[in-house]
This record gives sequence, C-alpha cells and structure tokens, in this order.
Amino acid sequence: GENVGLHLPTLSVQEGDNSIINCAYSNSASDYFIWYKQESGKGPQFIIDIRSNMDKRQGQRVTVLLNKTVKHLSLQIAATQPGDSAVYFCAEIRSGGYQKVTFGTGTKLQVIP
Amino acid sequence: EAGVTQSPTHLIKTRGQQATLRCSPISGHTSVYWYQQALGLGLQFLLWYDEGEERNRGNFPPRFSGRQFPNYSSELNVNALELEDSALYLCASSLAGRDEQFFGPGTRLTVL
Repeated sequence: GENVGLHLPTLSVQEGDNSIINCAYSNSASDYFIWYKQESGKGPQFIIDIRSNMDKRQGQRVTVLLNKTVKHLSLQIAATQPGDSAVYFCAEIRSGGYQKVTFGTGTKLQVIP
Repeated sequence: EAGVTQSPTHLIKTRGQQATLRCSPISGHTSVYWYQQALGLGLQFLLWYDEGEERNRGNFPPRFSGRQFPNYSSELNVNALELEDSALYLCASSLAGRDEQFFGPGTRLTVL
C-alpha cells in the first residue's frame, strides 16, 4: 500500500547542533512534498516544500533533500534552537485531477538547552 | 491576515451522538481540507472541498461527511459517534490550484 513513514520517532539534539529528520515514502508518482512543524496544542505549520523535479531546497535555517532513487526525504535544521522543539511531519502529495495528501506519523524533536 | 479558524476548540460527546465541527478558511482560499489526528498517529486525510464541491475523500466510513458553504467555510459532521472517533480534527485551507495548506488549531473531539 501507499504510505509515508519516518525512520526516527524521537530525536534529541543539543542546542546549537544541526538536526536531521528523515522520511521515507513509497509512491514514486508523488509530485510534491512538504515538511510541517506542529507545536503542542497547535495545528501543523508549513516549513518548507520541494517538488519532485528538485533534489534540494533551502530556506531560512532549513534544507530539504529529496532522493527519488530511494524514495527518501530529509529535513535539516541548522543551529537548532529551543523553539524548534516540536513534532515534524513530512507530507506526500499526488495531484493530477485530484489532490491527495498523506502524512507520516511524525518525529518529535527535543532540543536540549 | 486572520488564519484558519475552527470551532469549537473542544467537544465532548457520548457514543451514538452526532458531532458538528466548523472551519473558516483564510480569506481568499477556496479549498478546505479536513484531517483526523488520533493520538500517536499521523494526520489521516478525511475530505477535500473546493468551490463548494467534494473533490476527494479519504478512507473513512460514510458517517463522516461534510459540506462547504458559499463563503467557503466548511462543516464536518460525524454521525453515530464511536469511541475511536476521539481525536484532534484539523482543518486546512489553500488557494485554488496551490498545494500549500494552512492549518487551523484543531477541534479536540472526545467521545465517552
């Protein structure tokens, strides 16, 4: 079946270090991927996206890498801060007549001061 | 600019009852999406509405239904509530033809 999953359910990182959150997907027909951040008690917040025709995209302190060969997506956060503590979801989107979004279960990032 | 809003924040029901959840999208957004987030699970896609019509539906039974109004706000209705329906229900909106979705804070539904 089709699914989007995460390798590590919980990640603890020292403040100032870089964080890497991974995601595996199974549908090679996906057009588009998004990383969301969900803080406790809040809805998911868009962080960064990447199209399937790209392999890297950079934002402010964040970089998303897409490896279509192994169907792997990663989110890199540079100089992790306490405010980065949250659950991070990857989302896989398939368009083409209709849109369907599939989310992974999420990785909890804990930043150690 | 106001974000996506949802009401109520919390909702407590008993088995067999019906629940109605509401969502107001960001001004100018015509697409509304509903997701269920059960404890320990990822977001499960429920419904997608665009321009007042249901565009896609996730793998949920028919007792999960909804609608989108002319002002693009939306309702999610859950009939014959079951204990397993207890979850955070998230609404998101997007501009027509755009993939980026903006989420509301969610409605916490508890079924006793």
